[in-house]
Amino acid sequence: LAKTTQPISMDSYEGQEVNITCSHNNIATNDYITWYQQFPSQGPRFIIQGYKTKVTNEVASLFIPADRKSSTLSLPRVSLSDTAVYYCLVGALRNNAGNMLTFGGGTRLMVKP
Amino acid sequence: NAGVTQTPKFQVLKTGQSMTLQCAQDMNHEYMSWYRQDPGMGLRLIHYSVGAGITDQGEVPNGYNVSRSTTEDFPLRLLSAAPSQTSVYFCASWGTSGRAVEQFFGPGTRLTVL
Repeated sequence: LAKTTQPISMDSYEGQEVNITCSHNNIATNDYITWYQQFPSQGPRFIIQGYKTKVTNEVASLFIPADRKSSTLSLPRVSLSDTAVYYCLVGALRNNAGNMLTFGGGTRLMVKP
Repeated sequence: NAGVTQTPKFQVLKTGQSMTLQCAQDMNHEYMSWYRQDPGMGLRLIHYSVGAGITDQGEVPNGYNVSRSTTEDFPLRLLSAAPSQTSVYFCASWGTSGRAVEQFFGPGTRLTVL
């Protein structure tokens, strides 16, 4: 299983861009990178998924360098409602389903006014 | 669609009691999974299923049983509850159509074992 390493916590202020980096040095060729957001007392919610280069959706961007040993989740202009825990997962999409199901400790983002 | 539903939302058990946490999804997803989340911690995988009749163990399977007789349902059974099983339990499902694999999570069951 590709192990991931993320910062335990981060602080930011409203309106700033937040970048959370995840290290996954032993990522396999077939592995994808997925990020989830979790609010207190709720289940995680899918944010974004990518394989290489850059992926953007209405919520965030995901930057993946050529060697794929790390990835960066970018949240533009955060607000107080972005305060949550963010998890990075690495694994294959269809084979070995268990690979996609390993949540690390996540990064606790605190957005301040 | 209701998505992923879990019952009950809260449960208190005494040590040694057994119970079943229910999970159902109406999205025709092949995959389903159970996690537990202890206070201030990340999610840990208990069991998962890649289709009806097929289940496999996750990181922390001891003390739990699962079965998958239908695509929709994936119940989690606690055989003999222990205080160490006090946690929040999340069920999730996902399919393999499309490029992105997105797990959909239920609202969770908060279990306390006395």
